[in-house]
Amino acid sequence: EVQLVQSGAEVKKPGESLKISCKGSGYSFTNYWIGWVRQMPGKGLEWMGIIYPGDSDTRYSPSFQGQVTISADKSISTAYLQWSSLKASDTAIYYCARPPNVCSGDNCYMGGYMDVWGKGTTVTVSS
Amino acid sequence: SYEVTQPPSVSVSPGQTARITCSGDALRNQYVYWYQQKPGQAPVLVIYKDSERPSGIPERFSGSSSGTTVTLTISGVQAEDEADYYCQSVDRSGSDWVFGGGTKLTVL
Repeated sequence: EVQLVQSGAEVKKPGESLKISCKGSGYSFTNYWIGWVRQMPGKGLEWMGIIYPGDSDTRYSPSFQGQVTISADKSISTAYLQWSSLKASDTAIYYCARPPNVCSGDNCYMGGYMDVWGKGTTVTVSS
Repeated sequence: SYEVTQPPSVSVSPGQTARITCSGDALRNQYVYWYQQKPGQAPVLVIYKDSERPSGIPERFSGSSSGTTVTLTISGVQAEDEADYYCQSVDRSGSDWVFGGGTKLTVL
């Protein structure tokens, strides 16, 4: 079974750093992109960015570029989302999710949607 | 970047048809994907590539596209369909993903 297992809830103070994780299992981790999605309390979904663990190709939403760092360790099939200095406005649920690979003959490319989701990591930033 | 727009809310009675729209100029040339999110749960894909239904999604969920508007249709709405629905699109490079603001479907 394909699964994305996310790390547990975090409570942090403003200014602290944080790294949350998303471990993939049941598939070839290096061959699929993994994305991150934010959901602030009572609000909608926001795409943050995406990484290809095979070569660490990373793309960020302009809204999140410079605010977070997305990385992956393919040796342990884990993707990460990290902050160097948290703000209260970073309080949210963060989901990792995986787009499928869409293949036409020998050509495969990232599907433009996410069909496997983690359960989310709740991050609370409060003084 | 670009934007896609959804109505904030749609209300229907059980057994009726719910239609949720997603609009944006970019949608003329890009596919739309739909997710259902129930309280306290992660989103679930219900429609991909405008009108394709993943396995395990009930047949009452369907999608269609016309110009710059894509529509999620739920026929014979059931109480369990009450949820937030989000449309999403991505540009051809795969670098610019956008979610709509979400539509809260209320089953009266």
